[in-house]
Amino acid sequence: GENVEQHPSTLSVQEGDSAVIKCTYSDSASNYFPWYKQELGKRPQLIIDIRSNVGEKKDQRIAVTLNKTAKHFSLHITETQPEDSAVYFCAANHYGGSQGNLIFGKGTKLSVKP
Amino acid sequence: GAGVSQSPSNKVTEKGKDVELRCDPISGHTALYWYRQRLGQGLEFLIYFQGNSAPDKSGLPSDRFSAERTGESVSTLTIQRTQQEDSAVYLCASSDPHRSGANVLTFGAGSRLTVL
Repeated sequence: GENVEQHPSTLSVQEGDSAVIKCTYSDSASNYFPWYKQELGKRPQLIIDIRSNVGEKKDQRIAVTLNKTAKHFSLHITETQPEDSAVYFCAANHYGGSQGNLIFGKGTKLSVKP
Repeated sequence: GAGVSQSPSNKVTEKGKDVELRCDPISGHTALYWYRQRLGQGLEFLIYFQGNSAPDKSGLPSDRFSAERTGESVSTLTIQRTQQEDSAVYLCASSDPHRSGANVLTFGAGSRLTVL
């Protein structure tokens, strides 16, 4: 089955700096890679996603890059702000016995210090 | 409905008792997922339903766990003979992969289970 590894588990940056979170996946058939943000005590919410037919996608201060050959993808947050503090989860879809199942990484707790 | 609804929001039970958790997905969403999130941990996949296809049960941790879904609506997750390690937040999510072309998940607020 699909296995998604995520690093680092915790990340602390100063406000205004950039943050990078990296994930690797095992299933070469995976073609959809979303990122979810979970603020303390709240439910996870999608912030950006990328499909395997593109290598990079940007949305304001966040971007995701994908390297299918190496089977890894990364989240980049620029000009970090205190409200970016949260746990971020990467995920990859898994086409085992059924289509579209999402397997998540273990999460990265990002702390942005003012 | 407007969002994914889960009940109960909190459940405290004694070890050995059975519990049933309910999820009402967004109307029209054909895909439904259950995840388990232990305190401070990640999202652990449990089970996935997609339309009329056989569910993907590969994430269920033991035969004490089971889930059912009625058509493309309500799902129930049942945990039999609960153990303390079952304590966690159980998150349900739904999606409409045919509309969006990708599985954008909308999560419910979760059911917090505490096994004493």
